[in-house]
Amino acid sequence: AQSVSQHNHHVILSEAASLELGCNYSYGGTVNLFWYVQYPGQHLQLLLKYFSGDPLVKGIKGFEAEFIKSKFSFNLRKPSVQWSDTAEYFCAAASNYQLIWGAGTKLIIKP
Amino acid sequence: KAGVTQTPRYLIKTRGQQVTLSCSPISGHRSVSWYQQTPGQGLQFLFEYFSETQRNKGNFPGRFSGRQFSNSRSEMNVSTLELGDSALYLCASSLEGQAKLFFGSGTQLSVL
Repeated sequence: AQSVSQHNHHVILSEAASLELGCNYSYGGTVNLFWYVQYPGQHLQLLLKYFSGDPLVKGIKGFEAEFIKSKFSFNLRKPSVQWSDTAEYFCAAASNYQLIWGAGTKLIIKP
Repeated sequence: KAGVTQTPRYLIKTRGQQVTLSCSPISGHRSVSWYQQTPGQGLQFLFEYFSETQRNKGNFPGRFSGRQFSNSRSEMNVSTLELGDSALYLCASSLEGQAKLFFGSGTQLSVL
């Protein structure tokens, strides 16, 4: 069965620390990959997406993610986090009109 | 442009009852998908509709059903509610199917 795994359920970092959130998917065919973010009290919103081409994708607010096909991974990175990055982050993989979601990672940034 | 609207915002039901949730997509969006969000399971896909047709369905029992109307508004129905159905139900719409989803605020369902 297709699945998406996010390695950490909770991550706590200090401001200016570097961030990497892991995401692995299990699907052998062509897959589109997404990271969504949900800030406290707000809707889920798209952070970045990968369909094809350059495996390094840049999104909003300084986030980027790298698609590594051989590892079935799509990890999210940010070189220096800010307090305002406190949110829940969801990785998702799309196939056949269905988005399969990871369980989410709650990120807390200490000021 | 108005965003995705979900009603009601909160709902309290008892076991065995049924519930209908409503979702109005962004104007012009023909694809509507539904998700269940719980702290332990994260987001789980329920189903997706496009032009009144269900294109895909997640791994939920038949108690969960939905439909889409000609104006793209969608409803989700859960019959014979169970305690485990307590969750935030999110609706999302998109223009291109799955490319970029716009989410509503959700309906928080509590089953007592």
